[in-house]
Amino acid sequence: DTAVSQTPKYLVTQMGNDKSIKCEQNLGHDTMYWYKQDSKKFLKIMFSYNNKELIINETVPNRFSPKSPDKAHLNLHINSLELGDSAVYFCASSHGGALAETQYFGPGTRLLVL
Amino acid sequence: AQSVTQLGSHVSVSEGALVLLRCNYSSSVPPYLFWYVQYPNQGLQLLLKYTSAATLVKGINGFEAEFKKSETSFHLTKPSAHMSDAAEYFCAVSDVNFNKFYFGSGTKLNVKP
Repeated sequence: DTAVSQTPKYLVTQMGNDKSIKCEQNLGHDTMYWYKQDSKKFLKIMFSYNNKELIINETVPNRFSPKSPDKAHLNLHINSLELGDSAVYFCASSHGGALAETQYFGPGTRLLVL
Repeated sequence: AQSVTQLGSHVSVSEGALVLLRCNYSSSVPPYLFWYVQYPNQGLQLLLKYTSAATLVKGINGFEAEFKKSETSFHLTKPSAHMSDAAEYFCAVSDVNFNKFYFGSGTKLNVKP
């Protein structure tokens, strides 16, 4: 069983479109995260949710909106996609909200905006 | 505020040689420090972490790291490189006081036969 799963694995879309990436974890963790990894492999945290409550919200355009229907899911919705949004997006989860906890990462979603 | 610097974006070693990947952090308070590994086309996996217990931390796959407060460093080492160690390695620091988490820019390890 996959611990942290993301769908889709690949996403190719046109500028201006709206798209969603889904993330699910079956580890029973309380906290979930979204990261963006750019073409130079630089990883930056975008959001963190603990028990469906937003606890980290880094400087990210408001075109990006996370949604957590329950603590096992954290989806990322992106409006009006731009070329610069092309990246690999990773979902992660951890037990508890403390940043000392080990994070478990999904396989990533490779987004290409044309 | 926290930040983390990884010296050397690419490191190349021969199989069987010592692996040393450097990580320095800046922090006004004792941080929590992590090393993660990313294999091609995969997500990140924790190698080891320092959370203010023993300064020498042992991780998976024979890796270890030593927290040196005086040098603000958390370098990752492995005595003998294996071909399967070829991957991207990320150092990370968390500041629980400010609820911040940062990854370094990564070091790509190449292992030559």
